[in-house]
Amino acid sequence: AQKITQTQPGMFVQEKEAVTLDCTYDTSDPSYGLFWYKQPSSGEMIFLIYQGSYDQQNATEGRYSLNFQKARKSANLVISASQLGDSAMYFCAMREDTGRRALTFGSGTRLQVQP
Amino acid sequence: GAGVSQSPRYKVAKRGQDVALRCDPISGHVSLFWYQQALGQGPEFLTYFQNEAQLDKSGLPSDRFFAERPEGSVSTLKIQRTQQEDSAVYLCASSLGTVGNLRPQHFGDGTRLSIL
Repeated sequence: AQKITQTQPGMFVQEKEAVTLDCTYDTSDPSYGLFWYKQPSSGEMIFLIYQGSYDQQNATEGRYSLNFQKARKSANLVISASQLGDSAMYFCAMREDTGRRALTFGSGTRLQVQP
Repeated sequence: GAGVSQSPRYKVAKRGQDVALRCDPISGHVSLFWYQQALGQGPEFLTYFQNEAQLDKSGLPSDRFFAERPEGSVSTLKIQRTQQEDSAVYLCASSLGTVGNLRPQHFGDGTRLSIL
C-alpha cells in the first residue's frame, strides 16, 4: 500500500485565489513528520512547510498552511493568494520516527496558476 | 554557496559506462541522503549516511550502485555498467542532526543522468 497518496495529478488556480492540494498518508508509527516540497521546472526541491504528528496546531509559513486532520490521516497544503511563481510540482512527504530516516514521497501535484 | 551542491548538473553516458555523481552537503549537516527521481514521479530513497557511516542502503536498486562519504562531508554516488533504466534525476539532500523528524531535508538541484 502506498504510504503517501496525492490524488490530484494536476490543478489549475486563478492568480490571487487560494488552492488546496490534497495529501493522505498511511502509517502505524505514532510519531512522524509531514513535509511539503515545491519543485519548479528547473528541478530544485524547495522545502515549504512541516507538521509533526504531535503538533496541536496546524503549521503555517507565510502564504502556506497545512490542514492537518490526524484522524483522517490527511495533510493538505493550502496556498493563499496564488502567484504566477507558484506554478510548479508539489510533493507531500512523510518521515516516520521508526525505521528508515528517509522521506517517502507522493507522486506529486502539478499546479498551474493562471493570470 | 550555502546550499547543497551537486555536480555535474547533466550527465550523458553510453550504456555500460561507469558514472560518478558528486554531492557537497550544507556545511555541518550530519545526515546525507540520495534519492532517485524518475520522470513524472516523486523521489525514491536510495541510501543514507550519518557522517561517514552508511546506515541504510536498502533503496539501492542493484549492486551496480555504490555510494560513499569517506570524510563525512562530500558524497559520491557511483553507478557501474549503466543501463537505460538508470536514466533519472539523482537528488542529494542533507539535514542537520540525526534524531527526530523535525528537521527538513535540504535538496540540491540534482544531476540529470541520461543513458544512451
